[in-house]
Amino acid sequence: DQQVKQNSPSLSVQEGRISILNCDYTNSMFDYFLWYKKYPAEGPTFLISISSIKDKNEDGRFTVFLNKSAKHLSLHIVPSQPGDSAVYFCAASEASGTYKYIFGTGTRLKVLA
Amino acid sequence: DADVTQTPRNRITKTGKRIMLECSQTKGHDRMYWYRQDPGLGLRLIYYSFDVKDINKGEISDGYSVSRQAQAKFSLSLESAIPNQTALYFCATRAAGANVLTFGAGSRLTVL
Repeated sequence: DQQVKQNSPSLSVQEGRISILNCDYTNSMFDYFLWYKKYPAEGPTFLISISSIKDKNEDGRFTVFLNKSAKHLSLHIVPSQPGDSAVYFCAASEASGTYKYIFGTGTRLKVLA
Repeated sequence: DADVTQTPRNRITKTGKRIMLECSQTKGHDRMYWYRQDPGLGLRLIYYSFDVKDINKGEISDGYSVSRQAQAKFSLSLESAIPNQTALYFCATRAAGANVLTFGAGSRLTVL
């Protein structure tokens, strides 16, 4: 039972355009969401997060949107740069619970120069 | 030096062998986690520990065991490795009250 789903295994975007990565979840108890970026031969690194009390969080070129009613979140990268090419994982947790972080399957983003 | 160090980075072993993956951290975090990554399956939680005396099973703990030797050290053992345990393994840490995991660089294990 995949509680966190990233239905697009890969995405290609032209440099300078917007990248939109999507994530869906099924557990309504999740109240904290994170995005991680992973380069080959490295561990995942934290990118941006959002609490369920918000519907948007921005950090420079990165914005995460949360739609609780749809159990959906998305990561927007504007403008996309070749260095953004990586695998992106979304993750969810019940902050008031056991702090188990459940990850999605990842989306491989390729930004074309 | 890395905040979260995993050893070995790469290991090839044979079916039935015992293997240990080690994780040490300098961040002073009390929460530590072990995940495995498989193509198409993302990161799945194996075990997690909130302090030296607290060990909890994750989503896929069968075939694995862990030991929290100290606040800074958390090791993952495969008592009798099998080929479907071939994967990339990640250790992660988190400070109490924080929401962000810090990952090590990973240990690639191949079981022949």
